[in-house]
Parts: sequence; C-alpha cells; structure tokens
Amino acid sequence: LAKTTQPISMDSYEGQEVNITCSHNNIATNDYITWYQQFPSQGPRFIIQGYKTKVTNEVASLFIPADRKSSTLSLPRVSLSDTAVYYCLVGQAGTALIFGKGTTLSVSS
Amino acid sequence: GAGVSQSPSNKVTEKGKDVELRCDPISGHTALYWYRQSLGQGLEFLIYFQGNSAPDKSGLPSDRFSAERTGGSVSTLTIQRTQQEDSAVYLCASSLEPTMNTEAFFGQGTRLTVV
Repeated sequence: LAKTTQPISMDSYEGQEVNITCSHNNIATNDYITWYQQFPSQGPRFIIQGYKTKVTNEVASLFIPADRKSSTLSLPRVSLSDTAVYYCLVGQAGTALIFGKGTTLSVSS
Repeated sequence: GAGVSQSPSNKVTEKGKDVELRCDPISGHTALYWYRQSLGQGLEFLIYFQGNSAPDKSGLPSDRFSAERTGGSVSTLTIQRTQQEDSAVYLCASSLEPTMNTEAFFGQGTRLTVV
C-alpha cells in the first residue's frame, strides 16, 4: 500500500484559499487518490477523487502532477464550517481504505 | 434506510465483558468496512468485507476481535473480554462496488467505553 504523508495541522482565515498537499512517493499505477473530510463526532465524508491532472467538484479541486507522487486538495474561500480533519488516501479498487493521521484544518474569523 | 446505520450509538461495558456492535450498510452496497478511532486519533482499519470474497482481517488488533457479515448485508463486530484500551469510537462504512470511483459512506459510529 502506498503510504501518504500530509501536514499534521494548518491554520487559515475565512475567505482564504487553502491548499493541503499529500505526498505518496510510491503510488502504484492502479492507485487512485481520494480525500475525505471528518468533522468532530462524525464519520468521514468523501470529498473528491482523482487519478491524474485536475479534478473539480462543487466542494474542492484536486491537483495531481504528472508523476503522481503528490496531490493537492484545494478548498476555495474557506469558512468556519470547513474546520475539520482532511485525510488523503491512496489505493486500488477492491482493497481496504487505509486512513493516515490526516491534516487538522482550523479556520478562524 | 438512507445511510449507514450503527447501533448502539453508545455502549458502556465493564472490563472483561463481551460486546457486539452492529452495522446496517446502505442497501445494495457490496463493500463494508470497520474502523476504530481513539480520541484525537486517526482511523484505524480493522476489517473489510467485499461481496463473497474472504474478508481482509489484517487490521484486527487481537484475537479478541472478530466480525461477521451475514447475507452480504448486516455486519456485527464482536469484542470479547473487553479491555480499557478498547474504548474508542467504532465506525462502519459501506460502498457500492469496488470500482475506481467508489465512495465510502460512514455511519455515525458507536462510542464504546470500557470501565
């Protein structure tokens, strides 16, 4: 399984763009990159998934360089409600989802 | 139901007792996962069921932990002879199929306290 490394914590202010980068140097050809968000006292929630280049949905964008050894989750104009733990996962279809320690994002006013 | 349902939501048990935690996945979802999350920590993978394949039990911390999934639907996680270090939130998730775009849906968890 490809191991992921991401910052333990990040701080931001409302209205700013937040970029969280995840390193996965030994990602395999068939691995996808997936990000989940977890609020206190709740289970994680899927945010976005990608294989290469850029993926955008109504919540976030995911940037993946050509070598796929890292990925960046971009949250535009964060609000207080974006305060949460963000997890980067790398894996193949049909295998268990393995979560790392995640990045705790704190958004202040 | 509309989402993954876990019961009970809270469970307090005495050290040494056995407990059973239940997970009702979203109907039609073939994959089911169990995780454990201690206070302030990340999710620790426990076990993964995928259809009729043999479950991936590689995350179970000891032989006191076991899980079943009956009829490809409901799952039960059993902890025998509970210890205080078993206190945590136990989360269940399910996903439709093991495709590349699989999104896992999580339940609200069962908070287990061993006293």
